[in-house]
Amino acid sequence: NFMLTQPHSVSESPGKTVTISCTRSSGRIASNYVHWYQQRPGSSPTTVIYEDNQRPSGVPDRFSGSIDSSSNSASLTISGLKTEDEADYYCQSYDSSNHRVFGGGTKLTVL
Amino acid sequence: QVQLQESGPGLVKASETLSLTCTVSGDSISSFYWSWIRQPPGKGLEWIGYIYYSGNTNYNPSLKSRVTISINTSKNQFSLRLNSVTAADTAVYYCARDGDLGWLDSWGQGTLVTVSS
Repeated sequence: NFMLTQPHSVSESPGKTVTISCTRSSGRIASNYVHWYQQRPGSSPTTVIYEDNQRPSGVPDRFSGSIDSSSNSASLTISGLKTEDEADYYCQSYDSSNHRVFGGGTKLTVL
Repeated sequence: QVQLQESGPGLVKASETLSLTCTVSGDSISSFYWSWIRQPPGKGLEWIGYIYYSGNTNYNPSLKSRVTISINTSKNQFSLRLNSVTAADTAVYYCARDGDLGWLDSWGQGTLVTVSS
């Protein structure tokens, strides 16, 4: 099995760009798709990126996803930050036994 | 638009069994995988397991000995049973639709289950 490690928190100003990393502890990051969820306080998670870099309909193109094999990590980038983007973000993948694995979550503060 | 709704007791005594049901509307449960996920207060998400409409299951190894997920296709529902609960099982429990590429694309609103001593 593997773990997905995210920074505990990040902060940035409105209008700026922030990147949240998600590093896989073992095995290749490209082996299994990575999905990203946004969770606002008191709400269920919703998808912002699926299958590494796909955006569900309704998610603004300010959100983008990528993977980097050299660092064995996935990244979620949010550009043109808005106060409404303030939330917890979770990456998630699955292992060779199809067990779903979540990262620990990153608290994004837009100040 | 698929919708999921969790239901069940909000309070369970320690050592007893936690039982929750997820009712799916707007889509047939006879496709996709269907997962349970939980989130202790102030903490991150933990996948519990999934069931396929055929009845095949897959559980988080850390919970496997205590978990049973079942499905009732005639009622468009699937259920979670977690036995021998402790305070560490206190969490918001979510049900979600789960694609074969691991994408949890639709979630219920979640239900808080508190384990009391």
